Amino acid sequence: QKEVEQNSGPLSVPEGAIASLNCTYSDRGSQSFFWYRQYSGKSPELIMFIYSNGDKEDGRFTAQLNKASQYVSLLIRDSQPSDSATYLCAGLLGFQKLVFGTGTRLLVSP
Amino acid sequence: SAVISQKPSRDICQRGTSLTIQCQVDSQVTMMFWYRQQPGQSLTLIATANQGSEATYESGFVIDKFPISRPNLTFSTLTVSNMSPEDSSIYLCSVGDGGAGDTQYFGPGTRLTVL
Repeated sequence: QKEVEQNSGPLSVPEGAIASLNCTYSDRGSQSFFWYRQYSGKSPELIMFIYSNGDKEDGRFTAQLNKASQYVSLLIRDSQPSDSATYLCAGLLGFQKLVFGTGTRLLVSP
Repeated sequence: SAVISQKPSRDICQRGTSLTIQCQVDSQVTMMFWYRQQPGQSLTLIATANQGSEATYESGFVIDKFPISRPNLTFSTLTVSNMSPEDSSIYLCSVGDGGAGDTQYFGPGTRLTVL
């Protein structure tokens, strides 16, 4: 079983809709989780991190963490075509060791 | 966040040769890491570059194949030795900000093709 799992997608949403990206993890010792956005041919760019149960909002992005269900999600409100990218979920295992999921490709159509 | 640069940005190498990738940060950082992203895959941690001591390698990665140097708090190198086509990947360095959540920021990456 992979430590961090994501649906590879693609997830297709129309412009202006809410995109919901999901991630599950297997190690209950994971404390912090990160969402990165990666455009084709570019390096990952941090969107936000979360380490407390509940929601964390930053602009159009909301990260949600449910430690009991071992579930992390990222909501993107008012999705734009420029949001089309691969979204990587990562969990922090041990001392600063990031374990990445395989990523979900998001396509936002105009 | 710190500004991270990598050299070279891309290279095409012959089988059996070695390539050294440089990672430079514009401020002192405690933690530096090297990752590999194979075509169509996600990121895998190769090793943690420790300043003043040997790097800490993840399972499946060995020092003879991926020697790492970390001479100071702003610079690190990763060498890919005795390359084969299977080493064709993007190699990324990252730095930890040491702050809340142990956030890591990535450099622009080095795209390596081995023929």
